[in-house]
Amino acid sequence: DTAVSQTPKYLVTQMGNDKSIKCEQNLGHDTMYWYKQDSKKFLKIMFSYNNKELIINETVPNRFSPKSPDKAHLNLHINSLELGDSAVYFCASTLYGTGELFFGEGSRLTVL
Amino acid sequence: AQRVTQPEKLLSVFKGAPVELKCNYSYSGSPELFWYVQYSRQRLQLLLRHISRESIKGFTADLNKGETSFHLKKPFAQEEDSAMYYCALSGEGGGNKLTFGTGTQLKVEL
Repeated sequence: DTAVSQTPKYLVTQMGNDKSIKCEQNLGHDTMYWYKQDSKKFLKIMFSYNNKELIINETVPNRFSPKSPDKAHLNLHINSLELGDSAVYFCASTLYGTGELFFGEGSRLTVL
Repeated sequence: AQRVTQPEKLLSVFKGAPVELKCNYSYSGSPELFWYVQYSRQRLQLLLRHISRESIKGFTADLNKGETSFHLKKPFAQEEDSAMYYCALSGEGGGNKLTFGTGTQLKVEL
């Protein structure tokens, strides 16, 4: 019944590794997002996809590459992980233009 | 560019006291404002939006375009109101880009 689900919930890895976080929504929404929440709880938008097309791409290092195989899925791949990438990454979805985002539980990434 | 400012990181009030969580925004066009809430161990979720002009869980927020503010208010705080509150603005990108403030942690003490 989970509306927006992310996996994994927790991820601990070494600097330099490559990792992926997956997100799926079963709400029938057409737009999905990745947000990064830092240690001070600041939520910053990273990417947004509408109907599998990238429509928002904030100033994010090239090491971050989102992929949306279909409207219900949005994955985030991170290459060459750095200490500063440690954060909670939230996936969210919405119907375009409504403004009400539905969030996943977050994926806590710790880079050692 | 659109920006949202929440000046208080932490707001501590006693149960039954009035609550006001401040939010100011910067946007040249016509914004849509929201309040999102994150209770402990729960997902971030929509609390209310200015266009619906409704009261949710006793909370209200009025958009003041002159002061570019959207403060969240509740006359009598309850213990269960303790949570992280985010003000958000939707403006650029055809209403698709939601920009969040830095959040205010509300703590209601007995």
